[in-house]
Amino acid sequence: QQPVQSPQAVILREGEDAVINCSSSKALYSVHWYRQKHGEAPVFLMILLKGGEQKGHEKISASFNEKKQQSSLYLTASQLSYSGTYFCGTEPPGNQFYFGTGTSLTVIP
Amino acid sequence: DTGVSQDPRHKITKRGQNVTFRCDPISEHNRLYWYRQTLGQGPEFLTYFQNEAQLEKSRLLSDRFSAERPKGSFSTLEIQRTEQGDSAMYLCASSLTLTQTSDLWNEQFFGPGTRLTVL
Repeated sequence: QQPVQSPQAVILREGEDAVINCSSSKALYSVHWYRQKHGEAPVFLMILLKGGEQKGHEKISASFNEKKQQSSLYLTASQLSYSGTYFCGTEPPGNQFYFGTGTSLTVIP
Repeated sequence: DTGVSQDPRHKITKRGQNVTFRCDPISEHNRLYWYRQTLGQGPEFLTYFQNEAQLEKSRLLSDRFSAERPKGSFSTLEIQRTEQGDSAMYLCASSLTLTQTSDLWNEQFFGPGTRLTVL
């Protein structure tokens, strides 16, 4: 049930772009994205719902392909503050929530 | 409001002892979640409440784990007869669900976690 993310890790220079992918084996109601910095709790980034509705806080974008049960997070013009581990979270039918395997992102000057 | 708080922040215990953690959610939030996270892994869902009702419990959660949210505000997570494999960060999160019939999970606000070490 745990969604699989790719890549596992990525290193960027400031200003470069990155794409993080999340794939689930189950049909999904929604996909969430969170970022967790070392030693801190996860912080919400975005929700993508079936039907195309999105809700997020930061200047990032994401897509949700309902048929393929996949989502991608697009990080453009990366900043040092983007460093951390990114988790997708999926909500299949059935009242449970599954965080993905995680993608470690490091932005260097 | 200062966000979700958890107490204690750290707990060291001996194998076989019982431990209890407390979570205070954001005051107007009606949903409360418990997760467990080990090093290098994503948070693993344990259980969640809508108001005082426990709506779901992970099949991975053994009978040694129990959670309560007696008045729909704070929650406690108790682990009985702790084992070394219980060592982890225990995270609490809360969210606001706007309708009683909504099945959708809204954005979750996480607390700082309780780090449990079982010796």
